[in-house]
Amino acid sequence: SQTIHQWPATLVQPVGSPLSLECTVEGTSNPNLYWYRQAAGRGLQLLFYSVGIGQISSEVPQNLSASRPQDRQFILSSKKLLLSDSGFYLCAWSSGLAGGPDTQYFGPGTRLTVL
Amino acid sequence: KQEVTQIPAALSVPEGENLVLNCSFTDSAIYNLQWFRQDPGKGLTSLLLIQSSQREQTSGRLNASLDKSSGRSTLYIAASQPGDSATYLCAVTGSQGNLIFGKGTKLSVKP
Repeated sequence: SQTIHQWPATLVQPVGSPLSLECTVEGTSNPNLYWYRQAAGRGLQLLFYSVGIGQISSEVPQNLSASRPQDRQFILSSKKLLLSDSGFYLCAWSSGLAGGPDTQYFGPGTRLTVL
Repeated sequence: KQEVTQIPAALSVPEGENLVLNCSFTDSAIYNLQWFRQDPGKGLTSLLLIQSSQREQTSGRLNASLDKSSGRSTLYIAASQPGDSATYLCAVTGSQGNLIFGKGTKLSVKP
């Protein structure tokens, strides 16, 4: 069966420090991968999605970036964190099969607090 | 630009009641609509997915309906239980497979 992992589970970082959040998927090949953020009092917002290795699409301008160095690995990064980067970050995957978008499955999330 | 709205923002009911959560979206050109459950501090669990060509989906005590032309979906929970307490999120799928979420309905079922 497929599983999705995220780490760390929680993170407290000072403003201006770098960030690296990792997401890995097991039990599937060529998944579509997604990074979402849930800020306090707001809905979930898509940040990045990827349909293949090295293919990243950004939904919103920001100081975050994403990379997909391997088929089932998705990394969210920042060179300098801002206070507004605080939130709950969720990684998700879908099958990526032809025929249209499929159910997305979410990881356990990372709670990021920027002080 | 697609916008998803969920009403009510919060709901508190006694155990055993049937309840309805509402979701509306502004652009009817969607691939599908999903309902998720989120427990505090946890990730999302997919509950039901309705394809754009479908009218409803059922899973156990949950039933979700979709009226694409009017931009509405409802999630019906029968015989609610305290374990149903969570935030319920509605999301529509856009052309790139990305999800556009509502802000959720926080449900509290009192024993």
